[in-house]
Amino acid sequence: GENVEQHPSTLSVQEGDSAVIKCTYSDSASNYFPWYKQELGKRPQLIIDIRSNVGEKKDQRIAVTLNKTAKHFSLHITETQPEDSAVYFCAASMAGGFKTIFGAGTRLFVKA
Amino acid sequence: KAGVTQTPRYLIKTRGQQVTLSCSPISGHRSVSWYQQTPGQGLQFLFEYFSETQRNKGNFPGRFSGRQFSNSRSEMNVSTLELGDSALYLCASRTEGDTEAFFGQGTRLTVV
Repeated sequence: GENVEQHPSTLSVQEGDSAVIKCTYSDSASNYFPWYKQELGKRPQLIIDIRSNVGEKKDQRIAVTLNKTAKHFSLHITETQPEDSAVYFCAASMAGGFKTIFGAGTRLFVKA
Repeated sequence: KAGVTQTPRYLIKTRGQQVTLSCSPISGHRSVSWYQQTPGQGLQFLFEYFSETQRNKGNFPGRFSGRQFSNSRSEMNVSTLELGDSALYLCASRTEGDTEAFFGQGTRLTVV
């Protein structure tokens, strides 16, 4: 069935290190892959997204890569800071864009 | 521009009762989707509405239903509440499919 798997579920890094979160999706027709950040007690907010016609996208310290053949996409955060600590969700849009399935989330801890 | 507004913010109900949650999208957004968030389960897709039509539905029992009005406001109804329905219910609005979704702050439902 339609599914998005996300790993790891928890990630702890030292401030200044890089963090990588990986996701796989099942629907080969998916064309839109957003990433959301949810801080404690707050709503999820989009941090970066990528479409299937692009292999990589970067925005300052955040980058996302997409491998459509393997149905993998990843989030890379460089030079992590304590304020990067949050839960990160990957997602894949299906059914012509009217069904977005989220991964289970990765709780990122950045230690100062 | 006002964000996505969900009411009420908190709700306590008894098993067997029913509940209606409301979501007012960002002005101009015609798509509203609903998610159930529980610890460890991430964001589970409930359904998505676009221009008053349900475009897609997740794997939830028929006790979960929704609708969208002509002004794009959406309601979600859960009948015959069970203890396991306790969760944070988030709605998100966007202009159309495959675009950034803006989340509301959620309604925290507790079933006792």
